[in-house]
Amino acid sequence: DAKTTQPNSMESNEEEPVHLPCNHSTISGTDYIHWYRQLPSQGPEYVIHGLTSNVNNRMASLAIAEDRKSSTLILHRATLRDAAVYYCILREGNNAGNMLTFGGGTRLMVKP
Amino acid sequence: DADVTQTPRNRITKTGKRIMLECSQTKGHDRMYWYRQDPGLGLRLIYYSFDVKDINKGEISDGYSVSRQAQAKFSLSLESAIPNQTALYFCATSDWGGHGYTFGSGTRLTVV
Repeated sequence: DAKTTQPNSMESNEEEPVHLPCNHSTISGTDYIHWYRQLPSQGPEYVIHGLTSNVNNRMASLAIAEDRKSSTLILHRATLRDAAVYYCILREGNNAGNMLTFGGGTRLMVKP
Repeated sequence: DADVTQTPRNRITKTGKRIMLECSQTKGHDRMYWYRQDPGLGLRLIYYSFDVKDINKGEISDGYSVSRQAQAKFSLSLESAIPNQTALYFCATSDWGGHGYTFGSGTRLTVV
């Protein structure tokens, strides 16, 4: 499986934008980039996913590098509720049987 | 009601006991999964099922078994619990494309 590399932790101030990086230099052409987050004492929660183009939804934006070897999850205005562990995951798209494989993620701390 | 419900939320059991963790979903999804999370680590896949007649082993299936009783129900059993199975267990569902998993709130299992 293609691997991802994320910083162990990041800090942000409340109401400021947050850019969470993810490196995936061995990504294949059919790998989708998924982001999940896990709030304290909860199960992971789907955030966003993309293949080649940048994606936006109500939770976040996903910026994908042109060579697809890295991506950035953007929270436009961090709130205290956004403090969580954020997982960047590659999922092979052609084989519908491929599962999500979680790494260590980035622990985001949001300061008031 | 939650889309994915896990019971019990917390359980303490003794070494050697048989225990069942239950999961039910109202998403109408065919695919269901069981993951395990150890402190400070990401999630690891135990078993998954693509429909009622389909059961597959994941990364760490030894010591576990599952039953898919219906489209909406997927149970995880520990036939003879051991202390290193102490962990947080999550059930999840996804549609056929697998691009948006929905997780339950987890079962915290302690084996003493």
